[in-house]
Amino acid sequence: DAGVIQSPRHEVTEMGQEVTLRCKPISGHDYLFWYRQTMMRGLELLIYFNNNVPIDDSGMPEDRFSAKMPNASFSTLKIQPSEPRDSAVYFCASSFLGLYEQYFGPGTRLTVT
Amino acid sequence: KQEVTQIPAALSVPEGENLVLNCSFTDSAIYNLQWFRQDPGKGLTSLLLIQSSQREQTSGRLNASLDKSSGRSTLYIAASQPGDSATYLCAVTGHGQNFVFGPGTRLSVLP
Repeated sequence: DAGVIQSPRHEVTEMGQEVTLRCKPISGHDYLFWYRQTMMRGLELLIYFNNNVPIDDSGMPEDRFSAKMPNASFSTLKIQPSEPRDSAVYFCASSFLGLYEQYFGPGTRLTVT
Repeated sequence: KQEVTQIPAALSVPEGENLVLNCSFTDSAIYNLQWFRQDPGKGLTSLLLIQSSQREQTSGRLNASLDKSSGRSTLYIAASQPGDSATYLCAVTGHGQNFVFGPGTRLSVLP
């Protein structure tokens, strides 16, 4: 298996623009997690899905953030409109049954100018 | 609310030394604890997962222990190598099945 795949790897955009991050989990995994990592706040869970259904989105910072999982092999995290404080590395991870090991993607480094 | 801390924040050791990284959590009602490694500019790599019913897990030169009652876990690295240099994070899964991460320990192993 290729592991968790994220795209793009790097994204530079201007404030106010819409940003869409993409994730393909490991085949067979039924849990998908979106995290954000910054120097100041460390690694934070934004939202996670079980069988394509959002279970806990309490970590989503604002209404500008939204996430979807239309099928078992694809998820998106969208920021609209983007702001400079959204600059961070966004990770996607997946696991089987949610209680077992999480496997992380390489991350998307987002810079909002 | 679960809080996870890691001590020390940074550690520098000479090659060959055995070392211990510490992880503490405030809520002992966890399902499991996982140790990760993160190289600069990269994603996280899972090292060891300890279920709440287990006391320790071993993989090669790594040994992780878990003491739920005291809210502590340690990661022991034997015979450290320069290639072990990275940031090590622990994460716990509790109610709601979401992971709470510690801030990490930045390890440097000097040749």
